[in-house]
Amino acid sequence: DGGITQSPKYLFRKEGQNVTLSCEQNLNHDAMYWYRQDPGQGLRLIYYSQIVNDFQKGDIAEGYSVSREKKESFPLTVTSAQKNPTAFYLCASTLQGASNQPQHFGDGTRLSIL
Amino acid sequence: QKEVEQDPGPLSVPEGAIVSLNCTYSNSAFQYFMWYRQYSRKGPELLMYTYSSGNKEDGRFTAQVDKSSKYISLFIRDSQPSDSATYLCAMTTDSWGKLQFGAGTQVVVTP
Repeated sequence: DGGITQSPKYLFRKEGQNVTLSCEQNLNHDAMYWYRQDPGQGLRLIYYSQIVNDFQKGDIAEGYSVSREKKESFPLTVTSAQKNPTAFYLCASTLQGASNQPQHFGDGTRLSIL
Repeated sequence: QKEVEQDPGPLSVPEGAIVSLNCTYSNSAFQYFMWYRQYSRKGPELLMYTYSSGNKEDGRFTAQVDKSSKYISLFIRDSQPSDSATYLCAMTTDSWGKLQFGAGTQVVVTP
């Protein structure tokens, strides 16, 4: 079945440590997105990528980095510069990055600080 | 002020009742409107997708968009306990699909 796979489901980070969240899709979608979800808040866009080897900052990019070396993969690194990383992280993708194509989501990674 | 406002609830209804959810927004350029359902510890699942003003029906779900009032609604008929979830509205205007989300409304359907 086609879909978006995020791993791991749960992740713990020590102070000063960088951690990487994986997002893989086999939908042949062009655009991929990373969101952060905090309790009682809507999803906030961290980074997005419309094509391979290109990505743009979203609304809350500070303390995060991404890469897009393959169409199907869009990993997110939470760096030590992100002082409040505890959140639910969601990856999404869409066919053309156009506004008439709804985004589909993975099942998320919950990141906590040890 | 947030671009998209949504009452966080919780909204509790008895089984079989109609669930009524809504969002208001401030950006008149929004053209595409979505409703997502999110179960606990899961990613959002697309329920309804509409363009511009009007109504759209899909089974027990009806989405309404009133662009003149900057107001969108989702109605769930004959609600079931399995409808208990958080419902997120989202909307976009950009050609590359940048979404603005509401905070989500938690719905509880009691048997």
